Amino acid sequence: DAGVTQSPTHLIKTRGQQVTLRCSPKSGHDTVSWYQQALGQGPQFIFQYYEEEERQRGNFPDRFSGHQFPNYSSELNVNALLLGDSALYLCASTSSYEQYFGPGTRLTVT
Amino acid sequence: QKEVEQDPGPLSVPEGAIVSLNCTYSNSAFQYFMWYRQYSRKGPELLMYTYSSGNKEDGRFTAQVDKSSKYISLFIRDSQPSDSATYLCAMSVSSGGSYIPTFGRGTSLIVHP
Repeated sequence: DAGVTQSPTHLIKTRGQQVTLRCSPKSGHDTVSWYQQALGQGPQFIFQYYEEEERQRGNFPDRFSGHQFPNYSSELNVNALLLGDSALYLCASTSSYEQYFGPGTRLTVT
Repeated sequence: QKEVEQDPGPLSVPEGAIVSLNCTYSNSAFQYFMWYRQYSRKGPELLMYTYSSGNKEDGRFTAQVDKSSKYISLFIRDSQPSDSATYLCAMSVSSGGSYIPTFGRGTSLIVHP
């Protein structure tokens, strides 16, 4: 049984560009959450998708948007990248209170 | 004041030592308490989950919750070099069937042979 997968593993973007990150949840899980983890910090909740709808959102600007597909996979889009967006972006596949995290995508904005 | 406070360490111990990791929190609505382990360049991995006050044991790991003091702990017995990682505490409330955890910043643990 494949766990949570994310792509790409890492990427480098220039300030002002746009980026799309992808996530596939664990088999049978229909809820996906996205987190931003800055260096030396705990993960910060961005938003959660369930049944292709954004169910809950953390304290992140509208530059951060997402999508969930019928097969439960999900995308995170970030527009107008800032240097401060450099972080590890984690996707979590959710089953009630348990969050199963993927390996993350390391984004560097220069 | 952050909702969840956790000392970042690093905490360095010899192999075989008992490790104590702690978090305090301010939101009395938190109902679910979790500990995650995160190795370098990896995503967090759920170690322990507790709901009520008291102790929960799983192998070498014991999670302890004291809701009256808003304090949770994770104890690791007979620590091994492979336990070297960052340990994140997390806690959540139930909101419409959704459990969004609030994480501490993590404590870096180093177990040296």
